[in-house]
Amino acid sequence: EAGVAQSPRYKIIEKRQSVAFWCNPISGHATLYWYQQILGQGPKLLIQFQNNGVVDDSQLPKDRFSAERLKGVDSTLKIQPAKLEDSAVYLCASSLGLARGIQETQYFGPGTRLLVL
Amino acid sequence: GDSVTQMEGPVTLSEEAFLTINCTYTATGYPSLFWYVQYPGEGLQLLLKATKADDKGSNKGFEATYRKETTSFHLEKGSVQVSDSAVYFCALRLQGGSEKLVFGKGTKLTVNP
Repeated sequence: EAGVAQSPRYKIIEKRQSVAFWCNPISGHATLYWYQQILGQGPKLLIQFQNNGVVDDSQLPKDRFSAERLKGVDSTLKIQPAKLEDSAVYLCASSLGLARGIQETQYFGPGTRLLVL
Repeated sequence: GDSVTQMEGPVTLSEEAFLTINCTYTATGYPSLFWYVQYPGEGLQLLLKATKADDKGSNKGFEATYRKETTSFHLEKGSVQVSDSAVYFCALRLQGGSEKLVFGKGTKLTVNP
């Protein structure tokens, strides 16, 4: 079974530029998560989708970050404009999403490492 | 708010040594608890989990017991190998609420031959 795919693996941009990350979850997984992992810290949830609807985006900096999952499969996360403090690893995860309240395992992709100069 | 605190690293051990990585949590409800491992260049992988008090999660020789009275979920292994070198993350997820994981900062383990 293929895992969660993410691209690109690495990205270097200058501040105020825009950047986009792509995630393809495990086939059949309805729930998709984006996490931000700053160096030396644990991952922090940015946004959670159930199919193409947003379940939780309370920690997404909406003035510069956006995410979509239009067809309920793959997803993109965009930053515009980027700031120095956005340097981090952006992790995508997915789970089956059969029903709320069922404790399902989240499977993580390899991440996209972003460096903002 | 909900949070996880785990011991600061890095931790360096010799092969076959005993490993303990401490993890404590603060949560308003009754969380499920997890240990994730991140090998160099790879994504996070679930190592083990426990969903209620006194449950013991185990996998690959690692164990952790859900201790509600001390709000802890310490990771242990009796004899580490070089291949166990990785970053270990303790995490919680509240039951019945948001499915997001709340992670600790991670503990880097290096095992020398």
